Amino acid sequence: GDSVTQMEGPVTLSEEAFLTINCTYTATGYPSLFWYVQYPGEGLQLLLKATKADDKGSNKGFEATYRKETTSFHLEKGSVQVSDSAVYFCALGVRRDDKIIFGKGTRLHILP
Amino acid sequence: NAGVTQTPKFQVLKTGQSMTLQCAQDMNHEYMSWYRQDPGMGLRLIHYSVGAGITDQGEVPNGYNVSRSTTEDFPLRLLSAAPSQTSVYFCASSYIQGSGNTIYFGEGSWLTVV
Repeated sequence: GDSVTQMEGPVTLSEEAFLTINCTYTATGYPSLFWYVQYPGEGLQLLLKATKADDKGSNKGFEATYRKETTSFHLEKGSVQVSDSAVYFCALGVRRDDKIIFGKGTRLHILP
Repeated sequence: NAGVTQTPKFQVLKTGQSMTLQCAQDMNHEYMSWYRQDPGMGLRLIHYSVGAGITDQGEVPNGYNVSRSTTEDFPLRLLSAAPSQTSVYFCASSYIQGSGNTIYFGEGSWLTVV
């Protein structure tokens, strides 16, 4: 069935470091891919998305490219800030029934 | 912009009590859903609805009921609370137009069952 696998955390980095959070998926057809972010004490909010192969989603310095050949949607940021500390969820949109399947989340800690 | 509003934000229940988590959205979204979030488990879908009068079960529906009498509201009822239902609950909504739609989440309801 459809599924999302993302790297387990927590991930701890120093401020200004380069960030990669890996996400791979299994799906039939042509899903949409998302990254959601959850700041402490809050609900999830959309960070970026891509709806077809080779699309690049970007927002707040974060980027992710929809790679159909490797079934991946890795999240990257060139220089992280303390304010980026949060839990990041990769998600898959299933076209046939509009369900969203979430990964288990990756907690990110950025040290000043 | 109100978006998705959940109440209450915090609740403590005794085992066996019942309660309702309220959820309302003002974006005229057809699709609404309830998730629970537990450490190490990510988000798990409890129930969802694709429109008024239509509900369906998600991944973990046992112990919960829902109804969708209006487009705006999607309450989640715990029939007889158990400690295993201690969790953070999120209501969410979106348009149904294919899988590229953004899901909007409420701020969460922290529930403890003792």
